Amino acid sequence: EPEVTQTPSHQVTQMGQEVILRCVPISNHLYFYWYRQILGQKVEFLVSFYNNEISEKSEIFDDQFSVERPDGSNFTLKIRSTKLEDSAMYFCATAGTLATNEKLFFGSGTQLSVL
Amino acid sequence: GQQVMQIPQYQHVQEGEDFTTYCNSSTTLSNIQWYKQRPGGHPVFLIQLVKSGEVKKQKRLTFQFGEAKKNSSLHITATQTTDVGTYFCAGPGNQGGKLIFGQGTELSVKP
Repeated sequence: EPEVTQTPSHQVTQMGQEVILRCVPISNHLYFYWYRQILGQKVEFLVSFYNNEISEKSEIFDDQFSVERPDGSNFTLKIRSTKLEDSAMYFCATAGTLATNEKLFFGSGTQLSVL
Repeated sequence: GQQVMQIPQYQHVQEGEDFTTYCNSSTTLSNIQWYKQRPGGHPVFLIQLVKSGEVKKQKRLTFQFGEAKKNSSLHITATQTTDVGTYFCAGPGNQGGKLIFGQGTELSVKP
C-alpha cells in the first residue's frame, strides 16, 4: 500500500526555536493535512491544504504555525517559536480527493519535544 | 462546534472476551470512519460506513452505523492480543475534507 513519509521521526528543540516538519505525500494525492496528538489524547486537526493554499485551519493553528509545499513534493509544517505545549506527535495525512468519504492515509509521525 | 465523542476511554479485557466502543456525534454524519492506532504507531484506516443502519464485518470486528447517522459502534468478538491499540471513530467536518476524531478507546488485552 502507498505510504506517506514523514521526517524526522523525532525532533528535540529548545523553547523559542523554529522547527520544520516534513512530509512526502502519496504521489497522486492532492489534499494534505496536519494533525497533532498530545500523548494519550485524541488526534486533533490542525490544517488542511489544497492547491497550494490553506483550505481550513483549526483554533490551534495560530500565527506561529505555517504550511507550504515549496517544491511540489515536500509538504512542510513550520512552528516559528516553539512553546512547551507544542510537544506532541505531529501526523501528516493525505487524501486523493476532497470527497467527505475519502479515507486519510497517515504518516508515521514526528514526535516533537520542546524543552 | 461539531464534536465526536467516544466511550469508554479505556477498556481492559481478558483475551477471548468481547469488546465494544461507542461513538456519538453532535451532528448527523454523511459517513463515519474507524481507525486503529497501535501503541507507538499512527492511525490506520479500518472501515467506512455510509448508509443509515449499516452493519459491516471484518472477521471478528463488527461495525454499525446508527439509524439517525449520529452514532456508531465497533464490536470485537473474542479479543486477541493483536487487537491491542486505540480505536478512533472519525466523522467529516462541516466543510468536508477534514476528519473530526473521537477521543479514542484504548484497548488492552491480557493474555
